[in-house]
Amino acid sequence: DIQMTQSPSSLSASVGDGVTITCRASQSISTYLNWYQHKPGKAPKLLIYAASSFQRGVPSRFSGSGSGTDFTLTISSLQPEDFATYYCQQSYSTPWTFGQGTKVEIK
Amino acid sequence: QVQLVESGGGVVQPGRSLRLSCAASGFTFSHFGLHWVRQAPGKGLEWVAVTWYDGSNTSYAESVQGRFIISRHNSENTLSLQMNSLRTEDTAVYYCARGKYSNFVYYFDSWGQGTLVTVSS
Repeated sequence: DIQMTQSPSSLSASVGDGVTITCRASQSISTYLNWYQHKPGKAPKLLIYAASSFQRGVPSRFSGSGSGTDFTLTISSLQPEDFATYYCQQSYSTPWTFGQGTKVEIK
Repeated sequence: QVQLVESGGGVVQPGRSLRLSCAASGFTFSHFGLHWVRQAPGKGLEWVAVTWYDGSNTSYAESVQGRFIISRHNSENTLSLQMNSLRTEDTAVYYCARGKYSNFVYYFDSWGQGTLVTVSS
């Protein structure tokens, strides 16, 4: 199975800050990498697919980049509704696997 | 719009069975792979199982292989997960999710809000 490792596991930031979350795959996965946002008690929400493609309706402050083994999710200016846990997920091979999550908290 | 609504969660003793359901609407059900993904308390997301299009092909995570059975009823737009021989480590919120291909990449583009399964004596 492909292991996905995110860093940091959690971070504290203020509204308006820029934030970067990193995801590393245990082997090359090309750009078969997706990002999700998850809030407690809610359905997870797809943000980015294929490493850098926006899901319809996702604000432009979210962006993704990377290929091979190293990927990043960037939030350019945190908004109150962005405080959540973010997961990367590889779709290069089954079983599909997720990172352990990065919790973005209010400072 | 796409809607996925899970049901069937509850408290069950170890070794017993439970059946989850997911009612879908807003899309052509038979055109998509459908998945179960779970989140144990304090843990991340874990993919559990998939059923493809007509239901003839399925796949499972190693952790549930041989104990869980995923099925779909295209005439009723319903997805199910039969969970047998439940273990305490199966305690989690279970989400149904729709899979989609775009640019050759597969992703889960719609999710339900989940149903909680607690395995405890």
